[in-house]
Amino acid sequence: QKEVEQNSGPLSVPEGAIASLNCTYSDRGSQSFFWYRQYSGKSPELIMFIYSNGDKEDGRFTAQLNKASQYVSLLIRDSQPSDSATYLCAVGVSYGKLTFGQGTILTVHP
Amino acid sequence: EAGVTQFPSHSVIEKGQTVTLRCDPISGHDNLYWYRRVMGKEIKFLLHFVKESKQDESGMPNNRFLAERTGGTYSTLKVQPAELEDSGVYFCASSLDMNTEAFFGQGTRLTVV
Repeated sequence: QKEVEQNSGPLSVPEGAIASLNCTYSDRGSQSFFWYRQYSGKSPELIMFIYSNGDKEDGRFTAQLNKASQYVSLLIRDSQPSDSATYLCAVGVSYGKLTFGQGTILTVHP
Repeated sequence: EAGVTQFPSHSVIEKGQTVTLRCDPISGHDNLYWYRRVMGKEIKFLLHFVKESKQDESGMPNNRFLAERTGGTYSTLKVQPAELEDSGVYFCASSLDMNTEAFFGQGTRLTVV
C-alpha cells in the first residue's frame, strides 16, 4: 500500500465546474496535509494546507480533512483553464519532510 | 526576492560518471530539503539540512549519493558513480524554519544513459 494515494486521473472538467481531487494516507500519525499545484516543467507551489478536521476555504479552493477516514480532498470551484496542472497531495509532520502522492492531472476545458 | 535556484536545469551523463547538482535556497532560509522524482513515481524525500547540519538523511537511496551544505548556504548533491535508475527530477526546497512553507526550486532533470 502506498503511503499517500491519489485518484490517478487524469481528471477533465468543463470551465466553471467544480473539480474534486482526493487523497488517502496510511500513517495515522500524520499531522499536516498539503496540496501543491505543479505546472508542467515548473516547481511545485503550495496552494493549501490543513491541520484540523473539517473544511478550510481560501478563495475558490476548499481543503477537507477527515483524520478518522485518513482522507484529504481539494475542491476547486468555478474551475478555470489556468487551473489545469498536476495537483500533488503531501502529508507530513511539519512543512518540510513531506510524503507525496503521485499527483492528479487536472484539465479544465473551455 | 529570488526563489530557490537549482543548477543545472538539465544534465545528461553516462552511467558510471559523476554529477553534482547545486541548490541555492532563498536567502536566510536555514532549512534545505532535497527530493527526487523518478519516472512514473511520486516525489520522494531525500534529506534535510538545518544550516550546515544534516537533520535527516533517511531518504538517501545509497552511498553513491553525497549531499553537502558547507557554510549553511547553498547545497550540492553529488551522485558518484551514476546508475541508470538515478534518472529523474531532483528538487530542492527551502524554508525559514520547520513550521513555515517550504518553497521548491524548478528541479534538475538528470538523465543517465
